[in-house]
Amino acid sequence: NAGVTQTPKFQVLKTGQSMTLQCAQDMNHEYMSWYRQDPGMGLRLIHYSVGAGITDQGEVPNGYNVSRSTTEDFPLRLLSAAPSQTSVYFCASSYSMSAYTLHFGNGTRLTVT
Amino acid sequence: SQQGEEDPQALSIQEGENATMNCSYKTSINNLQWYRQNSGRGLVHLILIRSNEREKHSGRLRVTLDTSKKSSSLLITASRAADTASYFCATDALAQTGANSKLTFGKGITLSVRP
Repeated sequence: NAGVTQTPKFQVLKTGQSMTLQCAQDMNHEYMSWYRQDPGMGLRLIHYSVGAGITDQGEVPNGYNVSRSTTEDFPLRLLSAAPSQTSVYFCASSYSMSAYTLHFGNGTRLTVT
Repeated sequence: SQQGEEDPQALSIQEGENATMNCSYKTSINNLQWYRQNSGRGLVHLILIRSNEREKHSGRLRVTLDTSKKSSSLLITASRAADTASYFCATDALAQTGANSKLTFGKGITLSVRP
């Protein structure tokens, strides 16, 4: 049972480049979300989805796009990378948004130069 | 904005001692959860306590919740070197009508358990 799988594990981008962080879960979870983790800031919610075809913004959505075409996948797109987006990104899923506990992937460490 | 705030920021104890970590939050909640994060890994759920519960146990973990003080504590008894990790509280705030509630995390506590 793989759980939540994130790829790649590490990525270096130049300012202005675009890329997609992949997230897949095999637990048939309806709810999926993206967080970023920065030193001294804890985890901050970027975007989330309560099911295929439904997405919504979190606390820090600017500079990021998401889509949810299937239950399993929830990619995060950086359209034009900026140094402020250097961070560790975590994807998480849960059965639902009601009294839910999150299952996390192991993260993608992104550096933007 | 951060809902939960953990205290202390860092804690260093000897193996076998108990570790107590605290979390305070600002608004009314549905439930409060504690997560652990080992270095270089994702967060792992430890325990969930609902707003109508006061205490919950899971193995060596004991969580209390005081909704009047808007605070929670996580106690790890008989700590082990393997408990060395960062610990986060997360709150599920009471949602307004029609709004989706979202889980928000504190900044975390770094626990070091010396062998």
